[in-house]
Amino acid sequence: NAGVMQNPRHLVRRRGQEARLRCSPVKGHSHVYWYRQLPEEGLKFMVYLQKENIIDESGMPKERFSAEFPKEGPSILRIQQVVRGDSAAYFCASSLEQGTQPQHFGDGTRLSIL
Amino acid sequence: QQQVKQSPQSLIVQKGGISIINCAYENTAFDYFPWYQQFPGKGPALLIAIRPDVSEKKEGRFTISFNKSAKQFSLHIMDSQPGDSATYFCAASNDYKLSFGAGTTVTVRA
Repeated sequence: NAGVMQNPRHLVRRRGQEARLRCSPVKGHSHVYWYRQLPEEGLKFMVYLQKENIIDESGMPKERFSAEFPKEGPSILRIQQVVRGDSAAYFCASSLEQGTQPQHFGDGTRLSIL
Repeated sequence: QQQVKQSPQSLIVQKGGISIINCAYENTAFDYFPWYQQFPGKGPALLIAIRPDVSEKKEGRFTISFNKSAKQFSLHIMDSQPGDSATYFCAASNDYKLSFGAGTTVTVRA
């Protein structure tokens, strides 16, 4: 039963380093979404991707953050030059088609910045 | 700005009791209202969802009530069990972008 797989589950980085978060969607799903969850808050939409295309990145910080979903392989959320404020849980979700729900979530990557 | 407001922030209920969580939204274009359950260290799992053409949907012990005119919807957990202790999030969407409430931590006391 291959749901959304995220790795690593926990990631520790020092300020200024790069963080790479990976997400493999449910088999057959070609729509991937990234959300960020800060402590005591709900999830906030970051970006929506299809294979090789960024559809909506309106929730992504303008600098240091980027995302991709290549033709082969997992989706990657990349954070360059991390700062303490980047500490959060990052969740990936996937869906079968755009605009149809539900979105299936992975168990997230907990990013801690020292 | 927060498009979905959720209350209460936390609640404690006795085993067998009813848990009620409320959400209100602003965007009248929203047409899909899911509830997610999240356990510590896990991702959100879809519990139940409703569209605005119905006023109530029930699945087992979980019921969504929807009031379109008031722009409010709520989750009722009947016969609450210790295994229901989790954080519950309401959400709303009119496309692919889910807007989440801040969450309610439910604790069921045995």
